[in-house]
Amino acid sequence: KAGVTQTPRYLIKTRGQQVTLSCSPISGHRSVSWYQQTPGQGLQFLFEYFSETQRNKGNFPGRFSGRQFSNSRSEMNVSTLELGDSALYLCASSRPAQNNEQFFGPGTRLTVL
Amino acid sequence: AQRVTQPEKLLSVFKGAPVELKCNYSYSGSPELFWYVQYSRQRLQLLLRHISRESIKGFTADLNKGETSFHLKKPFAQEEDSAMYYCALSGHSGGYNKLIFGAGTRLAVHP
Repeated sequence: KAGVTQTPRYLIKTRGQQVTLSCSPISGHRSVSWYQQTPGQGLQFLFEYFSETQRNKGNFPGRFSGRQFSNSRSEMNVSTLELGDSALYLCASSRPAQNNEQFFGPGTRLTVL
Repeated sequence: AQRVTQPEKLLSVFKGAPVELKCNYSYSGSPELFWYVQYSRQRLQLLLRHISRESIKGFTADLNKGETSFHLKKPFAQEEDSAMYYCALSGHSGGYNKLIFGAGTRLAVHP
């Protein structure tokens, strides 16, 4: 069974730009969660999508948004990039029931210059 | 507030020594606790969860609700155990598949 895939793996942007990251979950997994990982703040929950609906959200500004498609693939978007948005963005998929094991992707490394 | 605390950033032991990675949590309710591990150049992956009450790769963890702890233990460390370990919780009030992670502890096992 193929694992969670994320594209692109690396991205360099400048302040003020916007970026879109993509995540393809494991086949059959309908829940997709996003996390931001930084040296200072560690792993922080961004949001979770299930059946194309956001059903949980972390404490991030509105510049961070996401969506999920009918095939469960998900994208997250960050607008008006700031230097502090430089991070590893991880996507995780799981079966829809609560507190199921989450399977993580390799992450997208975003650098904002 | 929901919080997970891992007090040690680095734990350094010799092969064959016992290991205990500490994890304390703050949560009003009945959380579910997990240990995730990240080996060098690999993805974050689930090591074990408290409801399973199983031993994975020789590691065990017991949920102590009185002390709000979920420490990870292994009696004899191996070099291949060297990795980053994250304690995480998920709860009903947090909803669904939202994980709250601790800062992580790097375990270094020396030959």
